[in-house]
Amino acid sequence: GQQLNQSPQSMFIQEGEDVSMNCTSSSIFNTWLWYKQEPGEGPVLLIALYKAGELTSNGRLTAQFGITRKDSFLNISASIPSDVGIYFCAGIDNAGNNRKLIWGLGTSLAVNP
Amino acid sequence: GAGVSQSPSNKVTEKGKDVELRCDPISGHTALYWYRQSLGQGLEFLIYFQGNSAPDKSGLPSDRFSAERTGGSVSTLTIQRTQQEDSAVYLCASSFVGNTIYFGEGSWLTVV
Repeated sequence: GQQLNQSPQSMFIQEGEDVSMNCTSSSIFNTWLWYKQEPGEGPVLLIALYKAGELTSNGRLTAQFGITRKDSFLNISASIPSDVGIYFCAGIDNAGNNRKLIWGLGTSLAVNP
Repeated sequence: GAGVSQSPSNKVTEKGKDVELRCDPISGHTALYWYRQSLGQGLEFLIYFQGNSAPDKSGLPSDRFSAERTGGSVSTLTIQRTQQEDSAVYLCASSFVGNTIYFGEGSWLTVV
């Protein structure tokens, strides 16, 4: 099925560093979602974005819904070891009557204490 | 295709009717998950199948919800006597145990 372009695919950083990841699409989305998945667990919704240009924060996380509605980024500031996991973006395509949730392939984050 | 396939992609049903949602996981994946999400809320775990083991049904919200997985592959989630609060996107996912979970595009259920 259709997927978003999510990058980077993986990151290995030092504790305290800032992290940035993004998703792009050729399609316009009405909603962008960012999830975190830890090993053996289901994904947890981090941030939901509903409006083009919207910038939303959740603690050390900040995400933005791109003005073109075709991209979104997620930043993590001052990373800590528990930030380790796989971060997924997802876009909701409301085109016509056929809504779809389109997923990125994930960004795997490793944090070195 | 090579991904997790769900059908129908959209379903509008009348309150009180039964619905069936189908999931076709990635070939070879032994683990299969059902989640649901209402917009603006978190992902809610429903049920987990792993190989021939008894499924983990701990997330099913009521006895109106049931799921089965035939032959270790395709799964069907059934909602009986649907209620308006059942309206949500129902997500299926599959994986090799302990590996990345791959999600389908969801089945959007609207109960009117």
